[in-house]
Amino acid sequence: GAVVSQHPSWVICKSGTSVKIECRSLDFQATTMFWYRQFPKQSLMLMATSNEGSKATYEQGVEKDKFLINHASLTLSTLTVTSAHPEDSSFYICSAGDSEKLFFGSGTQLSVL
Amino acid sequence: KQEVTQIPAALSVPEGENLVLNCSFTDSAIYNLQWFRQDPGKGLTSLLLIQSSQREQTSGRLNASLDKSSGRSTLYIAASQPGDSATYLCAVPEGGYQKVTFGTGTKLQVIP
Repeated sequence: GAVVSQHPSWVICKSGTSVKIECRSLDFQATTMFWYRQFPKQSLMLMATSNEGSKATYEQGVEKDKFLINHASLTLSTLTVTSAHPEDSSFYICSAGDSEKLFFGSGTQLSVL
Repeated sequence: KQEVTQIPAALSVPEGENLVLNCSFTDSAIYNLQWFRQDPGKGLTSLLLIQSSQREQTSGRLNASLDKSSGRSTLYIAASQPGDSATYLCAVPEGGYQKVTFGTGTKLQVIP
């Protein structure tokens, strides 16, 4: 079945650094991908919609300059957390769909010290 | 805006017990509904997908039902096992099948 690969699985970084997370659709093309964030003991919240070849669409309250999304090809979307701070520590997960179903990456646990 | 609520928020049951998890959504015009399992610090595992035209789906010990008119879905787990311990999330699409809204989740603990 279709698979979405997300990398890295976890990352620890110092405050002020930038972190890039990759999301790949392995055997299908995805013109649209989605990025979610999950804080401890909370559910997953949609952050933004990544659109291949155009600007991402951000949900209300999500800073587009802080969470840079690039969807340069039909199989790859990246989320860069710029100048990360401890409050950005969270679980980030991406998703993409083929013609019928939606698939999720395995998630990235970000810890900012 | 779609709101998805799950009850209970947490559940602890002895091994072997049958149990029901509930999911309710405010906008009944959904494309489908999906149930996921999430283990601590891990991604999502898709359990069952119910299309809007279906009333239920079964996979092994799991059975999910969908009642669009009332805005409800249930996930029935038969003969629960300690390995079933996880957080269970329901999700409904919003404006198309790919963008989903997740429920608040039910954290299940099955005690050996």
